[in-house]
Amino acid sequence: AQTVTQSQPEMSVQEAETVTLSCTYDTSENNYYLFWYKQPPSRQMILVIRQEAYKQQNATENRFSVNFQKAAKSFSLKISDSQLGDTAMYFCAFRPNSGGSNYKLTFGKGTLLTVNP
Amino acid sequence: DSGVTQTPKHLITATGQRVTLRCSPRSGDLSVYWYQQSLDQGLQFLIQYYNGEERAKGNILERFSAQQFPDLHSELNLSSLELGDSALYFCASSAARGGTGANVLTFGAGSRLTVL
Repeated sequence: AQTVTQSQPEMSVQEAETVTLSCTYDTSENNYYLFWYKQPPSRQMILVIRQEAYKQQNATENRFSVNFQKAAKSFSLKISDSQLGDTAMYFCAFRPNSGGSNYKLTFGKGTLLTVNP
Repeated sequence: DSGVTQTPKHLITATGQRVTLRCSPRSGDLSVYWYQQSLDQGLQFLIQYYNGEERAKGNILERFSAQQFPDLHSELNLSSLELGDSALYFCASSAARGGTGANVLTFGAGSRLTVL
């Protein structure tokens, strides 16, 4: 079974600064996907960024980028130029690419990020 | 709007009662997933349906059941409710097998269940 660990229950950052959220995972799979979802106070789950394990290049989406270290099973999220709207719970998630139609995600416990003005 | 519709948004009921949560997936998505989010357990996978058939089962209690109908909408039935069933229940959908869209789950806004 896969496990996802987010070791930082809470973090805070000043507006316009950069923050990095940590995530580690445990799996015996070689091919898989990793995701970061955010959950703002509205409670909606929103996809932030995803990474395919077979790709060495780190994914980037505007101010959001990841540092994917496959050997270390680490998948951190960097948020640059933090904005007040980035305040949310951030979840790291894992999905094995085992084929078929099962795309079940395993989530970490989440990191509550607060962006301060 | 994610395209995944969940009803009702909020539901308050009493212990021992039964409720049904409904989910309409994004247009074209064949898979529906149900997750439970509670403060102590985090996001827990309950069950997945693909084109009307059950594909994966997670930590779903025997008091809970689900199904996916021919029009692809899904219902999660929760019976003999207990205080501990109070949670946010999410539905998510994903595209058909294959293609990059199949790898992403799109979530609905959730149904908040309060059991008193």
